[in-house]
Amino acid sequence: QKEVEQDPGPLSVPEGAIVSLNCTYSNSAFQYFMWYRQYSRKGPELLMYTYSSGNKEDGRFTAQVDKSSKYISLFIRDSQPSDSATYLCAYRGGSEKLVFGKGMKLTVNP
Amino acid sequence: KAGVTQTPRYLIKTRGQQVTLSCSPISGHRSVSWYQQTPGQGLQFLFEYFSETQRNKGNFPGRFSGRQFSNSRSEMNVSTLELGDSALYLCASSSPTGPETQYFGPGTRLLVL
Repeated sequence: QKEVEQDPGPLSVPEGAIVSLNCTYSNSAFQYFMWYRQYSRKGPELLMYTYSSGNKEDGRFTAQVDKSSKYISLFIRDSQPSDSATYLCAYRGGSEKLVFGKGMKLTVNP
Repeated sequence: KAGVTQTPRYLIKTRGQQVTLSCSPISGHRSVSWYQQTPGQGLQFLFEYFSETQRNKGNFPGRFSGRQFSNSRSEMNVSTLELGDSALYLCASSSPTGPETQYFGPGTRLLVL
């Protein structure tokens, strides 16, 4: 079983839609959960970070973590064309390395 | 505050050659990690340096090596290049107060012919 599984996509939605991106993980040692956004020809940029189960909101973005199910989600409300990018989930346990999902490419159509 | 910088941004090499990539972390950040990104494998961890010492290492062959200098700048070297080494190589730095988050540079795109 892979350490991280991310919905492969790609995903195409109309502007204004609610987007749901999901990842599952198998390593119980993972403590920190992150979502990165990567625009074409750029490095990933940290979007959201959390270490506890529950929801964390930041503007139009909500990160949801369910440690009991080893499942994390990123919700984007009122999606915009500028949200078109690849989204990567990432995990880190203690001082261990970051483990990334393979990423899902999102396109928001105007 | 300036972000993570990487040089060069693009590189073309031929099989068998070697290459050195450079990364300057955000000022004050002492941890530098390197990743390889390919369409098939995604982002894969290469190694992490902290205070000039390798702290973590991924599952890559010995052809991949790195080092960190006293000013926290880091270099990555790949010897005897193979076609499969073509990838985007990303460097990320993290601060002592927030090691769980990493800030990435724009990457070096390496093409091996």
